[in-house]
Amino acid sequence: KQEVTQIPAALSVPEGENLVLNCSFTDSAIYNLQWFRQDPGKGLTSLLLIQSSQREQTSGRLNASLDKSSGRSTLYIAASQPGDSATYLCAVRAAGNKLTFGGGTRVLVKP
Amino acid sequence: NAGVMQNPRHLVRRRGQEARLRCSPMKGHSHVYWYRQLPEEGLKFMVYLQKENIIDESGMPKERFSAEFPKEGPSILRIQQVVRGDSAAYFCASSPQEAYEQYFGPGTRLTVT
Repeated sequence: KQEVTQIPAALSVPEGENLVLNCSFTDSAIYNLQWFRQDPGKGLTSLLLIQSSQREQTSGRLNASLDKSSGRSTLYIAASQPGDSATYLCAVRAAGNKLTFGGGTRVLVKP
Repeated sequence: NAGVMQNPRHLVRRRGQEARLRCSPMKGHSHVYWYRQLPEEGLKFMVYLQKENIIDESGMPKERFSAEFPKEGPSILRIQQVVRGDSAAYFCASSPQEAYEQYFGPGTRLTVT
């Protein structure tokens, strides 16, 4: 059974610092991995999707890496801003097409 | 191109009533997924549907919950005889094909009093 873990559960940084969010999964037989952002009381916004054959994806200040063999992904957010404050979720898709989510990392960027 | 739409956004039901949650996928998407986020817990998969077919319902509680995605109209998640433990945010996602990225709706927040 696939399990996804995100560490740390919460993170507080001053504005301008780089953010590093970690995601690990137990079964490396995945098709892809997605990173999402969730604001309080809101839905999920997809940030990046990495296919299992890819090592990383980049979008603006965001960069996500994937090491399938070790069951790890890392989301980097450069030069954090207060608007980056949110909960970040990673999810893996294995056979069966359903997403298995981690518990999330709650980020606070202080001005 | 409108995103995934869910209604209502907030729903309050008393114990024992029925709750009906609706999801309209993005245009051109024929695959729909329902997830539940209980308070202080992560999102959990419930059910995966294509038009008129349930593909995977491994995450659905065995009783009181059902889902459908008819040929015409939105997908419906139905909860009969709601209990307080059903209070949660219910999210719907859609994709154009099986292995494609899933796009999420804003969710329906169900409160059972």
